[in-house]
Amino acid sequence: DGGITQSPKYLFRKEGQNVTLSCEQNLNHDAMYWYRQDPGQGLRLIYYSQIVNDFQKGDIAEGYSVSREKKESFPLTVTSAQKNPTAFYLCASSMSRRGGTDTQYFGPGTRLTVL
Amino acid sequence: RKEVEQDPGPFNVPEGATVAFNCTYSNSASQSFFWYRQDCRKEPKLLMSVYSSGNEDGRFTAQLNRASQYISLLIRDSKLSDSATYLCVVRLASGGSYIPTFGRGTSLIVHP
Repeated sequence: DGGITQSPKYLFRKEGQNVTLSCEQNLNHDAMYWYRQDPGQGLRLIYYSQIVNDFQKGDIAEGYSVSREKKESFPLTVTSAQKNPTAFYLCASSMSRRGGTDTQYFGPGTRLTVL
Repeated sequence: RKEVEQDPGPFNVPEGATVAFNCTYSNSASQSFFWYRQDCRKEPKLLMSVYSSGNEDGRFTAQLNRASQYISLLIRDSKLSDSATYLCVVRLASGGSYIPTFGRGTSLIVHP
């Protein structure tokens, strides 16, 4: 089946620990994105990548890091520098990096809770 | 002023009702527009793209008004299963990329 997978679905972390969220897609999409959603809020862009080995900061990149070593994978690391990491994290991908009309497809998300 | 604004609702309507949501955007250079649906604790899923000429998909109609910088979503004959949050998305060209900006979403509750 084609799609986007994120793991784990639920993640608990102690304060001061780094944690990495996985995002994999087999849609052959060029672009991949990471969003954060807080209760009652819209999605806020953390990082995006339009091509392998390149990525750009979004609106709220502080305390996060990413890598894009393979087209299919875009892992997000939540570092201890992120002050309020408890949130719902969503990964998305889309086909075209210049079209603008391309559709974003989302993974099922990871709920991160910092204890 | 936020780039993309939506009335958070909730809109509470009976089955069979017609309901409309608006979404305003601040950047006149915005290129493309979408409506997504998000169920509670799930990921957003594309409902429909919004074209300049307006477009319809069954009970759903989307309109774009570039002059007033808003998009709208009309749902006719509401079903219980339409209860969800509806997210407006606007994509703005930036350095060759098209960065999506999401609204906070409008909550719809359809009751019997």
